[in-house]
Amino acid sequence: DAGVTQSPTHLIKTRGQHVTLRCSPISGHKSVSWYQQVLGQGPQFIFQYYEKEERGRGNFPDRFSARQFPNYSSELNVNALLLGDSALYLCASSLRPSGQPQHFGDGTRLSIL
Amino acid sequence: GQNIDQPTEMTATEGAIVQINCTYQTSGFNGLFWYQQHAGEAPTFLSYNVLDGLEEKGRFSSFLSRSKGYSYLLLKELQMKDSASYLCASLGAGSYQLTFGKGTKLSVIP
Repeated sequence: DAGVTQSPTHLIKTRGQHVTLRCSPISGHKSVSWYQQVLGQGPQFIFQYYEKEERGRGNFPDRFSARQFPNYSSELNVNALLLGDSALYLCASSLRPSGQPQHFGDGTRLSIL
Repeated sequence: GQNIDQPTEMTATEGAIVQINCTYQTSGFNGLFWYQQHAGEAPTFLSYNVLDGLEEKGRFSSFLSRSKGYSYLLLKELQMKDSASYLCASLGAGSYQLTFGKGTKLSVIP
C-alpha cells in the first residue's frame, strides 16, 4: 500500500509569493496533519484536519491556511512568503485525529530566496 | 503547551544498548510517541505509550511514567543504521496536535 505522498518534493520561491503544497494520506486514513520542520528542530504543528474540518491549529500566522478534500487529500497554502518560511513541510495521516500513530510523508523542502 | 526535553546528542558503540530520555509537562497529557528520523528523510513511527510501563518491540522498547512526566526509548544491539535523530512527542488531552521535542541525534560508532 502506498504511504503518505506529498508534492512537490522541492520548491524554490521568492519573498512575497504564495505556495500550495499537496498531500495524499494513506488509504483509509481520514485525518491529515501538517508540520513545519526547520533544520535541527523537531516538527512544529501547523494544522490538523479530520473529515474535512479543521480540528486543530498551531501557533502560525494567518498567512498559513489549509483544507481537506472529500477524498481526504489536503492542501497547505502559505501567502506572502518570508525568508523564515524556508523549511521542510511534513504531512502526516492517521486513522483518527487522536490516539493513533501519525505516519509521515517525505515532505516538501521549501526554500525562499 | 507541552514542553519536551531530550538530550541533543548521544554517541554509542555498535552492539551496545543506549537509553534516550524524554521529559514532558504532565498537565493535560494523553500519550507519548517516539519517532526515528534519518537525515533528509521523514520521521517514522516507533512507539506509542499511553499507560505506565514498558512496551517492547524487537530491539526497541519504550517506557512511560505518567506521574513523573518521563519516558525513555531503549535501543538494544545497536546497529550502524540506528544512527539517526530520535524524536519524542507528546499528545495533549483534548488536543489533536503532537508537540515534538528537538530530537536526540544518535551516532553509532564501530
